[in-house]
Amino acid sequence: DSGVTQTPKHLITATGQRVTLRCSPRSGDLSVYWYQQSLDQGLQFLIQYYNGEERAKGNILERFSAQQFPDLHSELNLSSLELGDSALYFCASSDSTDRGVNTEAFFGQGTRLTVV
Amino acid sequence: GQQLNQSPQSMFIQEGEDVSMNCTSSSIFNTWLWYKQDPGEGPVLLIALYKAGELTSNGRLTAQFGITRKDSFLNISASIPSDVGIYFCAGLKAGSARQLTFGSGTQLTVLP
Repeated sequence: DSGVTQTPKHLITATGQRVTLRCSPRSGDLSVYWYQQSLDQGLQFLIQYYNGEERAKGNILERFSAQQFPDLHSELNLSSLELGDSALYFCASSDSTDRGVNTEAFFGQGTRLTVV
Repeated sequence: GQQLNQSPQSMFIQEGEDVSMNCTSSSIFNTWLWYKQDPGEGPVLLIALYKAGELTSNGRLTAQFGITRKDSFLNISASIPSDVGIYFCAGLKAGSARQLTFGSGTQLTVLP
């Protein structure tokens, strides 16, 4: 158990809909990262939050957004869903930003999103 | 897109055999991480490497951070059935705000 909790585990929804994925980081971790894993793209970094603020953006579509709340949990919002958005979405957490401190990222079990 | 070349893509080995996989990049990384992912689960961290030339072991697993900082390898000795899974390398660059760049994974199958 990594200590990172993601809900729901599975989600099936129709095209055009909007969903929210939730992540609770490990206790004490301030950074939350979201990754998308699809069969043909592997693990792709989407976005990072540190202590409530957006810190870095990767390959995240404009239809997707995220936020991190004061209690440090994070939500990833996916809207106007398309069939190609079907993937595993992982949240990871670590205890610092990159300030010369080497820390690892620990992953949750993921949310499997299926868009039909 | 991904910048790490991971090989091999898949391996079929007999139980008890040793396994080696590697990652290379055209970019320099400050940290190399190796993860294992079981079906339906998130990646689990196996080994973290922080310095060029560093050799680190975790049980039957050994990983090295290449001297050029552009590559890393993972060895698994005396493989067992529970080693089955997908192994990912991941690299972290300085100033990258800790977003990992992942390799495409090595699917390991251990035959009894």
